[in-house]
Amino acid sequence: ILNVEQSPQSLHVQEGDSTNFTCSFPSSNFYALHWYRWETAKSPEALFVMTLNGDEKKKGRISATLNTKEGYSYLYIKGSQPEDSATYLCAFPTGTGRRALTFGSGTRLQVQP
Amino acid sequence: DAGVTQSPTHLIKTRGQQVTLRCSPISGHKSVSWYQQVLGQGPQFIFQYYEKEERGRGNFPDRFSARQFPNYSSELNVNALLLGDSALYLCASSFGGPLSYNEQFFGPGTRLTVL
Repeated sequence: ILNVEQSPQSLHVQEGDSTNFTCSFPSSNFYALHWYRWETAKSPEALFVMTLNGDEKKKGRISATLNTKEGYSYLYIKGSQPEDSATYLCAFPTGTGRRALTFGSGTRLQVQP
Repeated sequence: DAGVTQSPTHLIKTRGQQVTLRCSPISGHKSVSWYQQVLGQGPQFIFQYYEKEERGRGNFPDRFSARQFPNYSSELNVNALLLGDSALYLCASSFGGPLSYNEQFFGPGTRLTVL
């Protein structure tokens, strides 16, 4: 069973703070890592698909890094805004043909104005 | 273009009943996956269909079944509902290749409550 761990479970920050959270995964047999943002009452939104060790991706104030050798990915948010409040999920392709995703439990971020 | 759509939005059933949930993928997407999400956990994989064939199944009992139609839409059926089946059911679509470079796009989900 593939074990994807996310930490912390939840995070409360003030508007303007920068923050980061972690996704840990087994480093053997790495294939790809997906990051999603899931706002309440909306659909999960794909942020990044990361495949190469050392990958760094950026979308606005959000960026992510990947270390496949040690088995972790960091998601960073610079200058958090209230609209960044959401649950951030990481996920691994699994199953036959790797067409499905195994998700971590997520990090719930609350940004206070 | 419309994203992934699901119906109904909410559903209330009683124990022992059967339920059917529906999903329409993004136009051009041939793969549909179903996930169950309960409070405090990430989505759990139930089924994956590609070109109308089941290509993957998660650790769910046989009470759960699904199918994909020629237009690539999909239905998820759950028989003999239990209280523990209360959850948000998410549908996701993708072009169909492995999820290395391809993304899955999610619908808003169907909230099922079993009383």
